[in-house]
This record gives sequence, C-alpha cells and structure tokens, in this order.
Amino acid sequence: QKEVEQDPGPLSVPEGAIVSLNCTYSNSAFQYFMWYRQYSRKGPELLMYTYSSGNKEDGRFTAQVDKSSKYISLFIRDSQPSDSATYLCAMRAGAGSYQLTFGKGTKLSVIP
Amino acid sequence: DTGVSQNPRHKITKRGQNVTFRCDPISEHNRLYWYRQTLGQGPEFLTYFQNEAQLEKSRLLSDRFSAERPKGSFSTLEIQRTEQGDSAMYLCASSLESPLHFGNGTRLTVT
Repeated sequence: QKEVEQDPGPLSVPEGAIVSLNCTYSNSAFQYFMWYRQYSRKGPELLMYTYSSGNKEDGRFTAQVDKSSKYISLFIRDSQPSDSATYLCAMRAGAGSYQLTFGKGTKLSVIP
Repeated sequence: DTGVSQNPRHKITKRGQNVTFRCDPISEHNRLYWYRQTLGQGPEFLTYFQNEAQLEKSRLLSDRFSAERPKGSFSTLEIQRTEQGDSAMYLCASSLESPLHFGNGTRLTVT
C-alpha cells in the first residue's frame, strides 16, 4: 500500500459543477497538507496549504482535512474550463521534515 | 518574485551520456528541493538543501546522481551514464519554510 492514495481519474464534469477530489493516507505523522494544480508540461502550482485537521477556503476552493480518518478533500465550486488540469495532493510530517509525499494526481476535465 | 527557473526545459540525450540541469530558486528562499516525476505519477523526492548544505537524500538518488548548491544560491543536478529509466521530468522547488514553490521542470529523454 502506498503512503498516499489518490484516484487518477480521469474525471469529467460540466462547467459550473462542484468538483470533489480526495486523497487517503496511511502515515499518521503527516501534519501538513497541500493541493497542487498541474497543467500539461508545467510544474505543480500551489492551490491550498493546511495544517492539521479542519477546513480552509480560498475563493472557489475549499480544502478539508480529517486526520482521524486520514482523508483529505479539495472542493471546487462553479468549475470552469480553465480548471481542467491534474490535481495533486501532497503532505509532509512535522517540524524538521521537509520531504513532500505526493499522490498520483487526478486528471480533471471541465466541459463547457 | 520571478519564480523558480529551470534550464534547459527539454534535454534529449543518448544512453551513457552525462547531463546537467540548473535550478535558480526564488531569491530569498533558503531551501531548495529536487523531485522527479514520471508520466501518470506524482513527483518523487530526490534531495533537499538548506542553504548550501545537502540535508536529505532519497534512496532513489543512485550514485550516478549528484546535486550541488554552491554558495546557497542556484543548484545543479548531474546524472552520469544516463539510462533509459532516467527519462522523466526533473522538478526543482524552493521555500523559506513551507510550502514549496515549483519550477516548470526539465524534461529529460534518454534514447
């Protein structure tokens, strides 16, 4: 079992839909959780960064972390064709550890 | 903030040749990271520098790989005697604390 599991999709939704992306993990030491967006032939771009459990909202994006279930989510409201990309979850342990462990990424297509 | 810059963007080389990639981090960032990403996978950690000191190395980083960060500024990643399995996107990232900011990578193709 990999440390971080993420359904690779592909996921296809109509414009305006709410998108839900998820990752599960097995390492209880993970404390910092991130979501990155990656367009084709580009590097990952940070979307959301959260510490420990809870919710964080930024515009159309909401990140949720449930450490008790080892489960993190990213919600995208009012999805746009420009949201079409691969979404990567990433996480790391606490202070002194800067190595990120990534999921495989979920490829999302938003259809106009 | 001009972002993390990586050169070259693409490199095609023949098996057995040596290649070197360069990364220029965001100017005030003291931490620098190298990751490797193959098709359909998330990035995998290779190595980490704090200033000029290389503090972490993955077991993925075989003896053919070497990374440097002289004077704590730019970094280079060298792969000696390249193999077809080295074909991947090599990503550089930098940070002050957290989180990491990535460059657009160097895509290596070994023929």
